[in-house]
Amino acid sequence: AQTVTQSQPEMSVQEAETVTLSCTYDTSESDYYLFWYKQPPSRQMILVIRQEAYKQQNATENRFSVNFQKAAKSFSLKISDSQLGDAAMYFCAYRSTQGGSEKLVFGKGTKLTVNP
Amino acid sequence: DGGITQSPKYLFRKEGQNVTLSCEQNLNHDAMYWYRQDPGQGLRLIYYSQIVNDFQKGDIAEGYSVSREKKESFPLTVTSAQKNPTAFYLCASSQQVAGELFFGEGSRLTVL
Repeated sequence: AQTVTQSQPEMSVQEAETVTLSCTYDTSESDYYLFWYKQPPSRQMILVIRQEAYKQQNATENRFSVNFQKAAKSFSLKISDSQLGDAAMYFCAYRSTQGGSEKLVFGKGTKLTVNP
Repeated sequence: DGGITQSPKYLFRKEGQNVTLSCEQNLNHDAMYWYRQDPGQGLRLIYYSQIVNDFQKGDIAEGYSVSREKKESFPLTVTSAQKNPTAFYLCASSQQVAGELFFGEGSRLTVL
């Protein structure tokens, strides 16, 4: 079974600075999806960024980018120019592409605090 | 607007009572999911359904039941057999092959 590990329960960053959240996963599959979700205090889960394992290029979405290291099974999220609105729980997630295994497996999350 | 609607947002239940959480989506997604969220535990999968009239147990299905009679609807019943039902419950949907899940706003269940 696939597992996702987020080793940082809490992180903090100064406004306008850059922060990197770590995520590692365990799988024997070669093709899969990886995601970062944001959960602000409202509790609504919001997709931040996704990465297909077959793509070598790291995904980017505005101030958010990932460092995808397939061989190391690492998928870190970098937030540049941090804003107060970035404060939230961040969850890393893995999804198989094999039929019958479409469920998403989540890490336990990292709580990000942004200091003014 | 397309999306996922969960109701109620807050629910209180006495011990020994069953309660049903509603989840409706108008995204025309085939797959639907129920997750439970507890502090420090992340999200854990309760049940999921890939097509109408079919569903599979997730990692923590004991004490829960679901049905999928319509593509748009995937209600979750928390039964009296669930030992610790107080939690935040999230419903989600996805296309079979698109990858990401779209989530509702969640339902917070408190057992008194």
